Amino acid sequence: AIRMTQSPSSFSASTGDRVTITCRASQGISSYLAWYQQKPGKAPKLLIYAASTLQSGVPSRFSGSGSGTDFTLTISCLQSEDFATYYCQQYYSYLITFGQGTRLEIK
Amino acid sequence: QLQLQESGPGLVKPSETLSLTCTVSGGSISSSSYYWGWIRQPPGKGLEWIGSIYYSGSTYYNPSLKSRVTISVDTSKNQFSLKLSSVTAADTAVYYCARLSELLSWFDPWGQGTLVTVSS
Repeated sequence: AIRMTQSPSSFSASTGDRVTITCRASQGISSYLAWYQQKPGKAPKLLIYAASTLQSGVPSRFSGSGSGTDFTLTISCLQSEDFATYYCQQYYSYLITFGQGTRLEIK
Repeated sequence: QLQLQESGPGLVKPSETLSLTCTVSGGSISSSSYYWGWIRQPPGKGLEWIGSIYYSGSTYYNPSLKSRVTISVDTSKNQFSLKLSSVTAADTAVYYCARLSELLSWFDPWGQGTLVTVSS
C-alpha cells in the first residue's frame, strides 16, 4: 500500500496567517492527489484534486501543488472557518489511501 | 444537486454482520463512469477506504477488509450497500458513502456519515 504521511500532525495559527501542510507519498503518485477539509461531526469536504485543481466553490485562498512524492496544501490567508482537520488522499493505486490528517487550531 | 444518505443500524453485536445502505438522490447511480464508495473513520482517527462499486456490479475492495466485505448495488432503488461480517470493536466507526468520478478518483460528494458501534 502507498503510505501517505502528512506534516505536521497538528499546529496552531492565527487568522490572516499563511499556512502550508505537507503530504508525502511513499512512492511516486504523479498528480493523483486530493485534499479534504473536515470539521468536527461533519463529512470531509473536497478542496483540491489532481494535486492543484480547485474544486468548484472552494475559496481561492486554498491552493495545492506538487507531483511525484511531495505535495503541499497552502491557505494564503487563514479565516476563522478554516480551522479544521485536513487530509490528503492518493488515487494512483487501486488501494486508495489517506494521510493521517493535520489538525489546524486557533492560536 | 447530488446527495447521498447512509442508513442502517447504529449498534451491532460482535461477530455479527454490519449492514448499511447508501441512497443516492438528485442523480442516477447508473450514470456512466461514476463509481460509488464506502469509507470509514474510527472515533478520533483517520479515514480508511473500504471499497468501491460500479453500477454494473464490479467491485474493488481494500485487501485488509476483503475477506469480510461485500458491496452491492441496486439500480432500481438508486442505492448501494455495504456488508461487513464478523465485526469486532475495531470496526466501530463513522461510515461514509461517497461518489468517485472514476475507479481511481477523489471522493465527492460524501454522505453525512453514520456511526456504527460494535458492542454487546
